[in-house]
Amino acid sequence: KAGVTQTPRYLIKTRGQQVTLSCSPISGHRSVSWYQQTPGQGLQFLFEYFSETQRNKGNFPGRFSGRQFSNSRSEMNVSTLELGDSALYLCASTGPVNEQFFGPGTRLTVL
Amino acid sequence: GIQVEQSPPDLILQEGANSTLRCNFSDSVNNLQWFHQNPWGQLINLFYIPSGTKQNGRLSATTVATERYSLLYISSSQTTDSGVYFCAVEQRDDKIIFGKGTRLHILP
Repeated sequence: KAGVTQTPRYLIKTRGQQVTLSCSPISGHRSVSWYQQTPGQGLQFLFEYFSETQRNKGNFPGRFSGRQFSNSRSEMNVSTLELGDSALYLCASTGPVNEQFFGPGTRLTVL
Repeated sequence: GIQVEQSPPDLILQEGANSTLRCNFSDSVNNLQWFHQNPWGQLINLFYIPSGTKQNGRLSATTVATERYSLLYISSSQTTDSGVYFCAVEQRDDKIIFGKGTRLHILP
């Protein structure tokens, strides 16, 4: 089985721009979760999607949004980028007993 | 929300040594997982262990849910074991909370 894929792997943006990240889960998995990892805050949960519906949400501002498509692929969008949004963004695919399998991440740098 | 504390924060060992990493959590959880993050940022799922003991090669894990802790054992450490080890718990509201990790350095 192919693993979780994330695109792009690296991204450089400037303040005020917006960005869209993509995640394709493991085939057959219907739940996708997104996390932000920074040196200061560690790994923080952003949101979870299941069958195209947001099922859970972390404590992030409304500039962070996401969606899931009928093929379970998910995108997350960050609008009006700030320097503090520089981070590794990780996507996880959820297995049948709720175990999580992570993609390689997208490293976002905001200048 | 639930607090997840991992100890020690940093650990430096010689190749071949054994180690025990600990994860304490402040409330009942639905499940618990251990991950290894390699130097390139990839998080590898090591164990899904809401309770009991599991073993996979040189690694094993034990979770005592009633006492709200989990242990990860690494035996005969190799340099490829270096990286950060995370414990993550699923709260009752299904949100996943990660600990801050244990950074392990294995010296050749």
